[in-house]
Amino acid sequence: GIQVEQSPPDLILQEGANSTLRCNFSDSVNNLQWFHQNPWGQLINLFYIPSGTKQNGRLSATTVATERYSLLYISSSQTTDSGVYFCASHYGGATNKLIFGTGTLLAVQP
Amino acid sequence: GAVVSQHPSRVICKSGTSVKIECRSLDFQATTMFWYRQFPKQSLMLMATSNEGSKATYEQGVEKDKFLINHASLTLSTLTVTSAHPEDSSFYICSARKGGHGYTFGSGTRLTVV
Repeated sequence: GIQVEQSPPDLILQEGANSTLRCNFSDSVNNLQWFHQNPWGQLINLFYIPSGTKQNGRLSATTVATERYSLLYISSSQTTDSGVYFCASHYGGATNKLIFGTGTLLAVQP
Repeated sequence: GAVVSQHPSRVICKSGTSVKIECRSLDFQATTMFWYRQFPKQSLMLMATSNEGSKATYEQGVEKDKFLINHASLTLSTLTVTSAHPEDSSFYICSARKGGHGYTFGSGTRLTVV
């Protein structure tokens, strides 16, 4: 099945710093989403981005489907950005199953 | 928007008992819902796809007799963990997709079996 790898696995930032998280997938995908899982476990949908670039405040994401990767940019990080970031995709075919990446654990320190 | 509600948020049960978790789509109809399981410091693993009015589709390695899924209406899917054991302790999350949007997730249920 499809493999979705994320890097880095862990990241520690000082408040105000910028970061780039990467998501690589082993096969072609139809859709890609980025989620933030807060310390209470809630998954927040950040971007639904099958291709191209989107921005929402301090966050932006770019997916290059032909090269099988997506990037999530966090600028001017805040302590509330801490948590786990997942990318997830469902791949070609009839399936609607969403397969999650390995995750990046982000800790933003004051 | 697309809102998915999940209850309970936390449950502690005795070994050997059964626990039911509910997942509701509040502002849309969902013919398909999904159930995930997440162990500490790990990613989400898809357990099964819940289909309204028909049997659920389970992922390889997931015991269908242990994790009973019922999707009786277009807004409600339930996951029942039967004869729970300590190794079933985990974080269970449901999701659904509203047409034209991405997937939306419930707030999760933390199950502890003692």
